[in-house]
Amino acid sequence: KQEVTQIPAALSVPEGENLVLNCSFTDSAIYNLQWFRQDPGKGLTSLLLIQSSQREQTSGRLNASLDKSSGRSTLYIAASQPGDSATYLCAVESGGSYIPTFGRGTSLIVHP
Amino acid sequence: KAGVTQTPRYLIKTRGQQVTLSCSPISGHRSVSWYQQTPGQGLQFLFEYFSETQRNKGNFPGRFSGRQFSNSRSEMNVSTLELGDSALYLCASSLGGGGGTEAFFGQGTRLTVV
Repeated sequence: KQEVTQIPAALSVPEGENLVLNCSFTDSAIYNLQWFRQDPGKGLTSLLLIQSSQREQTSGRLNASLDKSSGRSTLYIAASQPGDSATYLCAVESGGSYIPTFGRGTSLIVHP
Repeated sequence: KAGVTQTPRYLIKTRGQQVTLSCSPISGHRSVSWYQQTPGQGLQFLFEYFSETQRNKGNFPGRFSGRQFSNSRSEMNVSTLELGDSALYLCASSLGGGGGTEAFFGQGTRLTVV
């Protein structure tokens, strides 16, 4: 059974810092890994999708990498801004079903 | 194009009642999944429908049920509501043809059971 862990659970940083959020998974037989952002009480917004054959994806100030062999992904946020404050979740879609397994998320606060 | 639409956004129900939530996926998407999100348990998978058939099911009691219509719109129903059913219910849509497709979420329905 796939298990997904996100570290740290919470993070508070000053504006302008570069950040790394971590996601690890136990079963390396994955189809893809997706990073989401969730604002309080709202739905999830897709940030980046990395297919199993890819090593990284970039969108603006965000860069996500995937290392299947070690069961890890990182989300890099460059030059953080207060508007980046949210919970970031990673989800792994594994072989055998089309259902992603979610981590518990990293709650990020970027203060001015 | 329009995103995933969930209605209603907020609901307050009494214990013992039943409730129906609706999800309209992105046009062309055939897979709809439902999740329950609570502070204590995080995001938990309820079930997934693809082309009107339930393809996957999570570990929830039979009080939780769903269906999908020919236009891919989906509904989930919770009968005999309990206080513990209070949660944010999210639906996600994807092309769903196989592994590796991107999932898009709606804004959720906040259900409060009193």
